[in-house]
Amino acid sequence: RKEVEQDPGPFNVPEGATVAFNCTYSNSASQSFFWYRQDCRKEPKLLMSVYSSGNEDGRFTAQLNRASQYISLLIRDSKLSDSATYLCVVNGSNQGGKLIFGQGTELSVKP
Amino acid sequence: DTAVSQTPKYLVTQMGNDKSIKCEQNLGHDTMYWYKQDSKKFLKIMFSYNNKELIINETVPNRFSPKSPDKAHLNLHINSLELGDSAVYFCASSGTGLGQPQHFGDGTRLSIL
Repeated sequence: RKEVEQDPGPFNVPEGATVAFNCTYSNSASQSFFWYRQDCRKEPKLLMSVYSSGNEDGRFTAQLNRASQYISLLIRDSKLSDSATYLCVVNGSNQGGKLIFGQGTELSVKP
Repeated sequence: DTAVSQTPKYLVTQMGNDKSIKCEQNLGHDTMYWYKQDSKKFLKIMFSYNNKELIINETVPNRFSPKSPDKAHLNLHINSLELGDSAVYFCASSGTGLGQPQHFGDGTRLSIL
């Protein structure tokens, strides 16, 4: 089993759609969780951290379910500029800051 | 002002050569990393240094040798380059402590001929 698994992509959605990405992780001792965004041929950039109580940043909402070892990202009212690959990222509790990246889910928002 | 900068951005070279990639961060972070992203887009950690000390060393061929002259710099030297080394190499840095996100440089695209 992969340490971090994400929904297979690509997701092709029209502008204005709501889209949800799911992610599961295998290490129950993991302590920190993030969503990163990576545009084509660019570096990954932090989109948001994911907190136990769930958190929202504008059109983006992240949820964490520790019991099920599951993380989600919801994007509302999607824009053309949201087209990118979304990476689910998990940090182990005793791994010196090591981040484990999921393979990523590609999102393409069409006009 | 680039927070994490890598040079060169593109590197095209022949098999068997030795090359270096440099990385510098001006964020005042204590921890720096090297990642490799292959053609399948998986991003995998190679090394991590905290205050010039190696703390993560994944299963990487010993042809790869990181060097950290100070906590703002982490360079990567690769000996005897092989075709399979072709990838994008990302440098990153973070503050110390759990939950610190990592900030990435814009990558070095290495192509082996």
